[in-house]
Amino acid sequence: QVQLVESGGGVVQRGGSLRLSCEASGFTFSNYGLHWVRQAPGKGLEWVAFVGYDGNNRYYADSVKGRFTISRDNSKNTLYLQMNSLRGEDTAVYYCAKDLLGSTTWSPFDCWGQGTLVIVSS
Amino acid sequence: DIVMTQSPDSLAVSLGERATINCKSSQSVLYSSNNKNYLAWYQQRLGQPPKLLIYWASTRESGVPDRFSGSGSGTDFTLTISSLQAEDVAVYYCQQYYSNPPITFGQGTRLEIK
Repeated sequence: QVQLVESGGGVVQRGGSLRLSCEASGFTFSNYGLHWVRQAPGKGLEWVAFVGYDGNNRYYADSVKGRFTISRDNSKNTLYLQMNSLRGEDTAVYYCAKDLLGSTTWSPFDCWGQGTLVIVSS
Repeated sequence: DIVMTQSPDSLAVSLGERATINCKSSQSVLYSSNNKNYLAWYQQRLGQPPKLLIYWASTRESGVPDRFSGSGSGTDFTLTISSLQAEDVAVYYCQQYYSNPPITFGQGTRLEIK
């Protein structure tokens, strides 16, 4: 079955860096776009970043542009999120999510990981 | 950016009764060339990741019970649960994927049992 497993969360000081990973299984990884979505404690869902199936298209929310970098390694079936210059407002559970539709930029998300918690402390 | 606004923020419905959640987008998410609305609904139970329920505004995801239905077009959409079950207690989000970037979600609607 399709599975996404995030890792790499933890406590980091303000201004610090963290790298999240999302290991995928159960589908042809290189055929699908992938996203990072975050959820601050007790809050709603915020889309963070997207990478296309081949890694060529990368889009970011304005709130993270210039600080976060999304990437993927199709040989390892793994998605990454490099987070630099972290701020208190970046504290959240970070989910990776898979596009329902392959080879497109416009798709809902049909599979989500369980999430990894990032806490930015002062 | 397309702003998604859900109503109400919270809702309490009796078991077996109908629950209705509304979602309004700040601009149309209907793509004229294929006549599809780029609108999805998700359910998030407490402590769980979101789960896709409906996409293209009215297409039910595989395995989703048929008591869940979606309707609407353009800027106004509705998620209906025809007969509320205890396991439907959750927060529900609408999402537009017409514009990427950014993809945007509604603020969520909390559904409880009355």
